[in-house]
Amino acid sequence: DIQLTQSPSSLSASVGDRVTIPCRASQNISTYVNWYQQKPGKAPNLLIYRASTLQSGAPSRFSGSGSGTDFTLTISTLQPEDFATYYCQQGYNVPLTFGGGTKVEIK
Amino acid sequence: EVQLVQSGAEVKKPGESLRVSCKGSGYSFTNYWISWVRQMPGKGLEWMGRIDPTDSYTNYSPSFQGHVTISADKSISTAYLQWSSLKASDTAMYYCARRTGTSNEDYWGQGTLVTVSS
Repeated sequence: DIQLTQSPSSLSASVGDRVTIPCRASQNISTYVNWYQQKPGKAPNLLIYRASTLQSGAPSRFSGSGSGTDFTLTISTLQPEDFATYYCQQGYNVPLTFGGGTKVEIK
Repeated sequence: EVQLVQSGAEVKKPGESLRVSCKGSGYSFTNYWISWVRQMPGKGLEWMGRIDPTDSYTNYSPSFQGHVTISADKSISTAYLQWSSLKASDTAMYYCARRTGTSNEDYWGQGTLVTVSS
């Protein structure tokens, strides 16, 4: 199975900050990475697919980059509604797997 | 509007059976696979498996193979996740999601909370 590592598991930031969230794969997965946002008590919400394509309806302050084994989700200007947990997911092969998540908390 | 509506919360005893459902609407149900994802209390997301509603072909994560069954009834646009013998460790929120051709889950159900306790 392909392992996805998200480190740190949590980070503190302030409104207006630029935030980067890394995700590392255990093998080359090309650009088959998706990013999801999850708020407490809610279902995950797709933000970015295929490493860098913004999902329809997702705010443009979210962007994704990377290929191979190293990927990054960037929030250009952190907004109050962005405090949540972010998960990467690989869609390269079955079983699909998620990273452990990075929780973005208020500093 | 695309929607996935899941059945309601369940409280069961160890050893009991259970089937939860996920009804799709607002799109052609057979054009997209359905994935199931588990989230244990306070933990991350775990992909359980997926089904092609067209022919009910399934893939399972090895972690869940043999413990759950994923099925679908395309005539009523509904996918199912079922257990024949629940364990306390099955206590979790379970989500269904629509899997796209670009290898992601773009629409999610609201989740079904399953609690297994004696």
